[in-house]
Order: sequence, then C-alpha cells, then structure tokens
Amino acid sequence: AQSVTQLGSHVSVSEGALVLLRCNYSSSVPPYLFWYVQYPNQGLQLLLKYTTGATLVKGINGFEAEFKKSETSFHLTKPSAHMSDAAEYFCAVINSGYSTLTFGKGTMLLVSP
Amino acid sequence: KAGVTQTPRYLIKTRGQQVTLSCSPISGHRSVSWYQQTPGQGLQFLFEYFSETQRNKGNFPGRFSGRQFSNSRSEMNVSTLELGDSALYLCASSRPPGTGVTDTQYFGPGTRLTVL
Repeated sequence: AQSVTQLGSHVSVSEGALVLLRCNYSSSVPPYLFWYVQYPNQGLQLLLKYTTGATLVKGINGFEAEFKKSETSFHLTKPSAHMSDAAEYFCAVINSGYSTLTFGKGTMLLVSP
Repeated sequence: KAGVTQTPRYLIKTRGQQVTLSCSPISGHRSVSWYQQTPGQGLQFLFEYFSETQRNKGNFPGRFSGRQFSNSRSEMNVSTLELGDSALYLCASSRPPGTGVTDTQYFGPGTRLTVL
C-alpha cells in the first residue's frame, strides 16, 4: 500500500520569502511522485512530477522538488513567494504500472504582503 | 490542445435523487479516472476506466457507478443521493497504459455537487 503525508495543513509566508511544503511518502516499490496545485473553485493543475532519473525536478511557476529516497521525501520549494502562489497544494504518489493516485491531505499556502 | 472538460460545473440535488456527471478527456487520452474531494476526507479515488472497461474501483458504495464510451468520454452516476455525497467530483485523463511513461493524470475543473 502507498500513502502520502503532508506536514502542515496551512503554511504562511510573506511575499518574497522561501516556500517549503513538506511531503513524505510510503511505498513498497519505487514511486512516481507528483505535486498538484488547486486554486479556488478549480481543478488540480500539475506542478511537477518525478518518475526516474534526476532527483531534482523543476516545475512550472518557479517551483521545484527533490526526491530523497533515503528520507522518503519529496518536498516542494520556491525561492521567492508571490501573492499568486496562494492556493492549496497536493502531493500524490502512484506506483509504476498503476493508474490510481494516492493524495496527501493538502497544504494551504497563504502569502501575505 | 483542449483540456479535460466536465459538465455541468455546478449541480444542486435533493436527497434520494440521482445525478449523472460527464467528463470529456484530452484528445488522445483513453484512461479516465474519477475522484471525490471533500473537506473531511480529501481526495479519494472512485474508479478508473480504460477502453470502456472499469480497471480499478475505490472504496465507495454501489450507488456510485460509471461508464466509458467508445470515444473515451466518461460518465459517473450517483443514485439515491445522500447529504454526504456533497463534494467536488474531479475527472482526470491520461494516456493509454503501456506507453512507456507513467500515466500523468490531467484534471478537469470538477463538478460541484450539493445535496440538500
């Protein structure tokens, strides 16, 4: 079975500050990992994904994440927060060959001026 | 390329009624998955269809059903609605399995169902 834990249901940062959203996974096989973002009243938008290869993955809007197998983590970072980054972020895991995403509970990112 | 579309975007129903939601995947995508999103339970997998066949099913009662048509469009149906069925229902599409890349799922805007 696979699972995802996102630490912190809410994270608050100031505009221009570093964004760090934490995600830890549990998987019995090498996982594929995703970060999605959800703006109010919208669906999920793919930010970035890790499948194989380079462990540092760059996504859209300046976000990146690093896959650390030893720590079973896939934390999402952005060097400088922008007001438009305020949204809910979901980490998800899927096992190769399967099609069912398992999501974390989500982290709401609040950005203050 | 057009994204995943879902209709309707909003629905209001009363307990005991049934509802049908529709999803049109991205052109060329043949797998369609459905998820339920609620504040309490988060995002939960409902079912997945590929080539008009249900491949996987989540832990939901039989009141929740779905189907897929030959053009890959999918519908889900909820019968005998309960208050707890109020949720955002999200559809996601992906390329056919076995194309060599993990099936990244692309989501539609969702259908917001309110049961009164």
